[in-house]
Amino acid sequence: SQTIHQWPATLVQPVGSPLSLECTVEGTSNPNLYWYRQAAGRGLQLLFYSIGIDQISSEVPQNLSASRPQDRQFILSSKKLLLSDSGFYLCAWSGSSGEKLFFGSGTQLSVL
Amino acid sequence: AQSVAQPEDQVNVAEGNPLTVKCTYSVSGNPYLFWYVQYPNRGLQFLLKYITGDNLVKGSYGFEAEFNKSQTSFHLKKPSALVSDSALYFCAVRLTGFQKLVFGTGTRLLVSP
Repeated sequence: SQTIHQWPATLVQPVGSPLSLECTVEGTSNPNLYWYRQAAGRGLQLLFYSIGIDQISSEVPQNLSASRPQDRQFILSSKKLLLSDSGFYLCAWSGSSGEKLFFGSGTQLSVL
Repeated sequence: AQSVAQPEDQVNVAEGNPLTVKCTYSVSGNPYLFWYVQYPNRGLQFLLKYITGDNLVKGSYGFEAEFNKSQTSFHLKKPSALVSDSALYFCAVRLTGFQKLVFGTGTRLLVSP
């Protein structure tokens, strides 16, 4: 069966520090991968999605970047965090149709 | 641009009563519509989807949703609410040929004993 792992679960970082959040999927090949951000426990904002290695689409101009070094690995990064980067970050995967998303358990990022 | 709207921030219902969580959509083509549920500090879980066919779709945990093209709505329903249904519910839409889902702002459902 397929599983998705996302870590760390919580992270507290100072303003200006770098960020690296990692997400891996097991049990499937060539998944679509997604990073969402959820602010204040409500709406979901799609940040990046990828339909294959080196195929990453950015949805919103921001202080973040994404990379997919391996087929089932998706990394969210920042060189210098801002206060506004705080939020709950969710990784998800889907099959090639993109019809049904499976979410990781999320990372609560607090930038102080 | 495709979008979904969830007009209610919160819905309160007593256990055993029917519940409805509203969602309307705005797309230029044929929509794929979804409902997801989120429990505290967790990722989202898929509940159900509408692609084509019957307007009433059934999903997990006794939930169902009715697709209404004339009203551009996809309301989530359950005949008898449980306290354990209390959670954050998201409606989402995807256009044919696109790989991404656009989510609504979420509706918090609170079921009281």
